[in-house]
Amino acid sequence: NAGVTQTPKFRILKIGQSMTLQCAQDMNHNYMYWYRQDPGMGLKLIYYSVGAGITDKGEVPNGYNVSRSTTEDFPLRLELAAPSQTSVYFCASSLGWADRNEKLFFGSGTQLSVL
Amino acid sequence: LAKTTQPISMDSYEGQEVNITCSHNNIATNDYITWYQQFPSQGPRFIIQGYKTKVTNEVASLFIPADRKSSTLSLPRVSLSDTAVYYCLVGDLTISSGSARQLTFGSGTQLTVLP
Repeated sequence: NAGVTQTPKFRILKIGQSMTLQCAQDMNHNYMYWYRQDPGMGLKLIYYSVGAGITDKGEVPNGYNVSRSTTEDFPLRLELAAPSQTSVYFCASSLGWADRNEKLFFGSGTQLSVL
Repeated sequence: LAKTTQPISMDSYEGQEVNITCSHNNIATNDYITWYQQFPSQGPRFIIQGYKTKVTNEVASLFIPADRKSSTLSLPRVSLSDTAVYYCLVGDLTISSGSARQLTFGSGTQLTVLP
């Protein structure tokens, strides 16, 4: 199994550009999450989804959008990229709620720079 | 708002036992405590999870006191390859999403194992 797959691994954007970070999982997990990690910091939750068609905001949702049309895919959309969005983005999934006897499986991350 | 409090960094020598403590005063009754390990340029990886008392697996032990307001990750006989950032994760009661739970990582503990 591939687990959680993120693409691209690296990307440089100019201010004001838009892009979509792709995330796919093949474990039939119901729950998926997007985190960002700034240098030397912990992970902050951007958005999460508890199933196809259901998404909700995390701690830092501003400047991002998500959709969940299938169980497998959970893309993260950046509109009008800003330097403050320079970060490493991690997608994760879990079978159920990760704070209740479940665990998160993470992708390898996308390094995004906005210049 | 970080839900957990951990030491920022710790140093140890190869072969020693390392104990990392996490404070989580607002843990919910049904929450589990989960620890993750993160190497540079990788997503976090599950280490161990528990609810109360002691849990042990092939790589670590987790000690949780009766009041569950803290937990201690114990790594026996560490090696150089254990150098990483360690995070404890619990549900975040301080951020309201209007519906579901928030999963927030703290800043983690940078463990450096010296030869």
